[in-house]
Amino acid sequence: NAGVMQNPRHLVRRRGQEARLRCSPMKGHSHVYWYRQLPEEGLKFMVYLQKENIIDESGMPKERFSAEFPKEGPSILRIQQVVRGDSAAYFCASSPFPVASTNEKLFFGSGTQLSVL
Amino acid sequence: ELKVEQNPLFLSMQEGKNYTIYCNYSTTSDRLYWYRQDPGKSLESLFVLLSNGAVKQEGRLMASLDTKARLSTLHITAAVHDLSATYFCAVSNFGNEKLTFGTGTRLTIIP
Repeated sequence: NAGVMQNPRHLVRRRGQEARLRCSPMKGHSHVYWYRQLPEEGLKFMVYLQKENIIDESGMPKERFSAEFPKEGPSILRIQQVVRGDSAAYFCASSPFPVASTNEKLFFGSGTQLSVL
Repeated sequence: ELKVEQNPLFLSMQEGKNYTIYCNYSTTSDRLYWYRQDPGKSLESLFVLLSNGAVKQEGRLMASLDTKARLSTLHITAAVHDLSATYFCAVSNFGNEKLTFGTGTRLTIIP
């Protein structure tokens, strides 16, 4: 069973471009979480999705950021018109059930390092 | 707002020594996680602690939880170089899927 797969591992964008980050959860996992990590900091929650639904997007900036988890295919975190402050490592995690109600742990991917020039 | 603080932020220790990393959190919580992160890599789940007095051990690492004090500890016994990494604790509120992470403790084991 492959782990959580994220691609690309590294993404370089110029200011104003769009960034698309992909996350394929572990097989059988229908719950996906996105976190952002700035240098020398802990991870910050962004969004929690189930298949075709956004459940909690309280950590997402109101503008330029969006996320989806379609019925088929990976979850996508999309950042429009990137700025230098978006440079960070973006981690995706998955679980088979909601972690809050089932004592499940999260399985993290290796992350996408976004660099905005 | 839930806040999670870890200390120390940086820790250098010699092989063979024991030490403890502390994780304090600001509001009541029903679960606490410890993760390990190697440079440039993802987070590896170490422990999930669910109740007051919970203690879990894996190899040279032991984690405990005191919900009354809102404190968790990660104890390292007879450290070896392979344990060099950054260790994060993370806490969630009741019924909330969001984890709030501490800032991490960067542990360096010196031969």
